[in-house]
Amino acid sequence: KNQVEQSPQSLIILEGKNCTLQCNYTVSPFSNLRWYKQDTGRGPVSLTIMTFSENTKSNGRYTATLDADTKQSSLHITASQLSDSASYICVVSDRGSTLGRLYFGRGTQLTVWP
Amino acid sequence: EADIYQTPRYLVIGTGKKITLECSQTMGHDKMYWYQQDPGMELHLIHYSYGVNSTEKGDLSSESTVSRIRTEHFPLTLESARPSHTSQYLCASSPSQGRHSSYNEQFFGPGTRLTVL
Repeated sequence: KNQVEQSPQSLIILEGKNCTLQCNYTVSPFSNLRWYKQDTGRGPVSLTIMTFSENTKSNGRYTATLDADTKQSSLHITASQLSDSASYICVVSDRGSTLGRLYFGRGTQLTVWP
Repeated sequence: EADIYQTPRYLVIGTGKKITLECSQTMGHDKMYWYQQDPGMELHLIHYSYGVNSTEKGDLSSESTVSRIRTEHFPLTLESARPSHTSQYLCASSPSQGRHSSYNEQFFGPGTRLTVL
């Protein structure tokens, strides 16, 4: 069964600190993995997308890693800001269908305190 | 910032009412999607469309229906709303061509939060 599991479920950090969010998946055949940021009451916004051959990708203070062998990904946030408070969702796409089905994790709810 | 819009943003309605959630995109994307999301849970695909006059049901069974008469418009309708329909509804679109198509990059609207009393 294709699944995406994220940890931790929630995380509280102080402003300026770093944090790392984890994602494990069983989706096969794998096409790509992306991290989305979803602010409360808003739609998800893409942060990074990685294919099988990419093992790291950065977008400003966000750095995602991918280990396709172990089927794990992480999202590292450096020097956190209050505006980073949001849900971070790991999404994996398969390449076994025309639709390019997306499999969503439940997200990690990050809260940044001043 | 993706050009995809949803209205209304918030809707509180009584049981038994018919409602239509609007979704429009100005990017000319062929593929459009409707997802349902409950708090703390993953997004579930309830409908999708490959293009005009194409609609399919998604993974999650839903009593809603959709139509795709124009490329830019993908409304979702509930004929008789019930409290179990209370949820957040997210619309998304993706192109069939271009650099985003190979990733199936989906662009999401802001969502409609529906509450059925």
